[in-house]
Amino acid sequence: DTGVSQDPRHKITKRGQNVTFRCDPISEHNRLYWYRQTLGQGPEFLTYFQNEAQLEKSRLLSDRFSAERPKGSFSTLEIQRTEQGDSAMYLCASSGEGTTDTQYFGPGTRLTVL
Amino acid sequence: ILNVEQSPQSLHVQEGDSTNFTCSFPSSNFYALHWYRWETAKSPEALFVMTLNGDEKKKGRISATLNTKEGYSYLYIKGSQPEDSATYLCAFGDYKLSFGAGTTVTVRA
Repeated sequence: DTGVSQDPRHKITKRGQNVTFRCDPISEHNRLYWYRQTLGQGPEFLTYFQNEAQLEKSRLLSDRFSAERPKGSFSTLEIQRTEQGDSAMYLCASSGEGTTDTQYFGPGTRLTVL
Repeated sequence: ILNVEQSPQSLHVQEGDSTNFTCSFPSSNFYALHWYRWETAKSPEALFVMTLNGDEKKKGRISATLNTKEGYSYLYIKGSQPEDSATYLCAFGDYKLSFGAGTTVTVRA
């Protein structure tokens, strides 16, 4: 068990550029989650997948954001036309299928939009 | 969005002292309460998942209690060590977790 990994760990981009982040969950986990943390706040739920199906999206996830999990393994989160307000830590987690199963988190991708 | 609050926001503890802090959450429609420890530049580490009123969990010098009827959980650190310095997050919910803003603990040697 190598844990949840995320790539890149840091990303600096200019406003208006597109960025893509990758998350590799724990291999036997069917559920994958994306959260976003801004300064001084706890992580906020963005979206989650059961295998390859995206089952719920937060209203925080504007139409500039898209997430995929094409083969039910790794996931990508893309932000188009980045804005300074998108600067945050983007966290990925994975879990088993139980409603209260522990979610195991990756180290996050810190995005800075200049 | 469920309102989860943690207090205090930060605290400083002398090495060897014990401490505790609070997480409060809505007392209706309870699913589970999670505690995480998050050290800088690392992944949040899962400490406990608590699902039953009156639950008490322990991991080494860290323990937690749960009161679902009144909507709070306490996390205790006994005999604090410098390696306990971290931000401790609680999260409430089912698969969609609502997090508090965390309590940042600094242990002074």
